[in-house]
Amino acid sequence: EIVLTQSPGTLSLSPGERATLSCRASQSVSANFLAWYQQKPGQAPRLLIYGASSRATGIPDTFSGSGSGTDFTLTISRLEPEDFAVYFCQQYGSSPLTFGGGTKVEMK
Amino acid sequence: QVQLVQSGAEVKKPGSSVKVSCKASGDTFSSTYSIAWVRQAPGQGLEWMGGFIPIFGVANYAQDFQGRATITADKSTTTVYMELSSLRSEDTAVYYCARGLGIGVGVLHYMDVWGKGTSVTVSS
Repeated sequence: EIVLTQSPGTLSLSPGERATLSCRASQSVSANFLAWYQQKPGQAPRLLIYGASSRATGIPDTFSGSGSGTDFTLTISRLEPEDFAVYFCQQYGSSPLTFGGGTKVEMK
Repeated sequence: QVQLVQSGAEVKKPGSSVKVSCKASGDTFSSTYSIAWVRQAPGQGLEWMGGFIPIFGVANYAQDFQGRATITADKSTTTVYMELSSLRSEDTAVYYCARGLGIGVGVLHYMDVWGKGTSVTVSS
């Protein structure tokens, strides 16, 4: 089973700042099959990024994904008030599908 | 517009079973999508339980749920069901169904459309 470790656990930033979230895998993720999701309280997760760097439909270009192998990054170039949420990474290169523990982006 | 509509909240006793439904609209059942079940315990992260492949009519489970979870479907109503037996307090969670998408047919997918979730509380 691939274990995904996200860091930091919490990121305290102000609107307009840049957010950099890390997701590290315990072994190489096949074909960079890594996705990122955003989740707000009381809501289902929302797909942001798939294939490590492809934005999902309707996701603004302030969100970008990068990385390969075992190290992946989600970058939010300029935080909007609605971007404060919890972010999860997920690998789908091998079974079982696994998620990281999440990074909470909170307003400073 | 694809939608996944889940059944309502449940309160169950330890040792009993729960069956959660997920009705899919659109062409989910006629294409290469999967339907994943993911749960989230209160204040915790996301856990994949397994997935159903409508085009083949088969399910694939995470090892932790093998033998205790059963995922089935009714093609006539495009509804997928997830039944979890021998419930214990640690099964208290929100259970989500989500449409899986990716390269090829199977369960190795990311999830692009999610249901709103079904709260399951296990308490004596």
